[in-house]
Amino acid sequence: AQTVTQSQPEMSVQEAETVTLSCTYDTSESDYYLFWYKQPPSRQMILVIRQEAYKQQNATENRFSVNFQKAAKSFSLKISDSQLGDAAMYFCAFSRSNDYKLSFGAGTTVTVRA
Amino acid sequence: DAMVIQNPRYQVTQFGKPVTLSCSQTLNHNVMYWYQQKSSQAPKLLFHYYDKDFNNEADTPDNFQSRRPNTSFCFLDIRSPGLGDAAMYLCATSRTGVDATEKLFFGSGTQLSVL
Repeated sequence: AQTVTQSQPEMSVQEAETVTLSCTYDTSESDYYLFWYKQPPSRQMILVIRQEAYKQQNATENRFSVNFQKAAKSFSLKISDSQLGDAAMYFCAFSRSNDYKLSFGAGTTVTVRA
Repeated sequence: DAMVIQNPRYQVTQFGKPVTLSCSQTLNHNVMYWYQQKSSQAPKLLFHYYDKDFNNEADTPDNFQSRRPNTSFCFLDIRSPGLGDAAMYLCATSRTGVDATEKLFFGSGTQLSVL
């Protein structure tokens, strides 16, 4: 079974600053996918960014980027130039390559201070 | 524009009274999922349909059932809700699997309260 660990229950960041959310996972698979989802107060889960394990290059989506360390089984999310709209709960998630299921971490609540 | 629609947004039921939550999609995706999310916890997969094939998670209680009469609709039935079943129930869809080219589309969820 795969486990996903987010060790930071809460993070706070000043508007326009950068915050990094940590995620580690445990798997014996060599081919898999990693995701960061955002869940704002509206509760709708929104995909922020995804990474294929076979790719060494870190994924980037505008102000969001990841630091994928496959050997260390680490997958952190960096939010640059934080905006008030970034306030949400962020979930790290894992999926095996031939599986339809996501395993989620416990989440990190991000607050953005004006 | 909503692609995965869950109704109602809030549902209140009584202890032991059967309740049904609904999900519809306009994406024509062949995979539909139901997740249970308790307060401040990670979503937990209950089951999913790949087309008409039903796949139950091993630890999903028997109290939870699902129906998918067609591609667009999927229902979650809770036969005898207990206080511990109070949670947000999230429906999601995907075209095939969760891989590099596909992603899950989530609905806004139904918040279930059990009195």
